[in-house]
Amino acid sequence: GAVVSQHPSRVICKSGTSVKIECRSLDFQATTMFWYRQFPKQSLMLMATSNEGSKATYEQGVEKDKFLINHASLTLSTLTVTSAHPEDSSFYICSAVDWDSGNTIYFGEGSWLTVV
Amino acid sequence: AQTVTQSQPEMSVQEAETVTLSCTYDTSESNYYLFWYKQPPSRQMILVIRQEAYKQQNATENRFSVNFQKAAKSFSLKISDSQLGDTAMYFCASFTQGGSEKLVFGKGTKLTVNP
Repeated sequence: GAVVSQHPSRVICKSGTSVKIECRSLDFQATTMFWYRQFPKQSLMLMATSNEGSKATYEQGVEKDKFLINHASLTLSTLTVTSAHPEDSSFYICSAVDWDSGNTIYFGEGSWLTVV
Repeated sequence: AQTVTQSQPEMSVQEAETVTLSCTYDTSESNYYLFWYKQPPSRQMILVIRQEAYKQQNATENRFSVNFQKAAKSFSLKISDSQLGDTAMYFCASFTQGGSEKLVFGKGTKLTVNP
């Protein structure tokens, strides 16, 4: 089946720095991708919808200046956590819509972010 | 607003038995899809089954089947012949297309299959 690759799987950064997470569809074009944050023992919280070639649509309460999303190509979306703080530590996961396979949605492996 | 509700935080079932996980949803869109995803401890999201809202026939995938009641906005998952490997978090989700696409999840049900 289709594959979505997310990188890095784990990252540790210092407070105040920025970190970029990549979400790549490997064998299909993904004009629409979603970014989620998942706290321990909780569900996936939708942060934003990323559309190729246009600005991301952020959910209410998500700081767009802190969580920068760029979807510059048909196979790559990136999430940049700017000026990271310890409270940004979390599991971040992306998904991509394969419109050509009946709107099946595939997920990346997720990224663990630890801010120290 | 688009919402998904899973009212069973935890469930358990004996191996080889059948279990049903509940899900209700709400959306104002006419074109939508419903999904059940499984999330084991590895955190990888695994698609279990999907249902197109315009199809009346309930989707089935081997031991997994759904009971899709569109008027009631209900989308339950039935797991037959439960296996130890089915132990995981199960999330119900709705995907809408319209002015903006969204994939929204319920809070999840933790399923434990006991030997």
